[in-house]
Amino acid sequence: QVQLQESGPGLVKPSEILSLTCTVSGTSIKSHYWSWIRQTPGKGLEWIGYVDYRGSTTYNPSLESRVTISIDTSKNQFSLNLRSVGAADTAKYYCASSFMSSWHGTFDFWGQGTLVAVSS
Amino acid sequence: EIVLTQSPVTLSLSPGERATLSCRASESLPSNYLAWYRQKPGHPPRLLIYGASARATGSPDRFSGDGSGADFTLTISRLEPEDFAVYYCQYYGSSVFTFGPGTTVEIK
Repeated sequence: QVQLQESGPGLVKPSEILSLTCTVSGTSIKSHYWSWIRQTPGKGLEWIGYVDYRGSTTYNPSLESRVTISIDTSKNQFSLNLRSVGAADTAKYYCASSFMSSWHGTFDFWGQGTLVAVSS
Repeated sequence: EIVLTQSPVTLSLSPGERATLSCRASESLPSNYLAWYRQKPGHPPRLLIYGASARATGSPDRFSGDGSGADFTLTISRLEPEDFAVYYCQYYGSSVFTFGPGTTVEIK
């Protein structure tokens, strides 16, 4: 059973960097694409980007200038860095995965999410 | 940029009734990478349908998807208590994932 668990600070100051980590268990990290998605009451669900086990990334064009997603296969973890945050980045952040071998363009497994507030 | 619109915004029904949810794209989707998710309060979304009409592993058979081009439908044949939730459609294309704004199915 694939399990994902987000971790990181629940509060970030404006203009600083939001950093989150997702720990993966129950599957090979080489078998999936690993995504970050966020959810707010106002904008709904927004895909941020994904990384594969080789470290190759694809980002949402609307966030690309501020986002870096990286992977540490030795720790079965992948991470999100979002720079220069503002109040609009306050959201629940989810990590999620997509099967590479049976690619349907979907998010097959999700973490429970972590709430991040941007405030001074 | 493809935009997904879902209707209705809210659907008020009773347990056992049939629910029909719509997802419309701003243009005809060049591929069939259209999915549906159910999100219960306090939980992440759960994949129900992929490829517009294929049920995901573990998805109950009361859920069915249909459509092509720019118009897609999710049907729940008989609403169970756990089906009162928010439903999202999602498209993958041109290396971008896009979600619709959601339809809330509430108890009448």
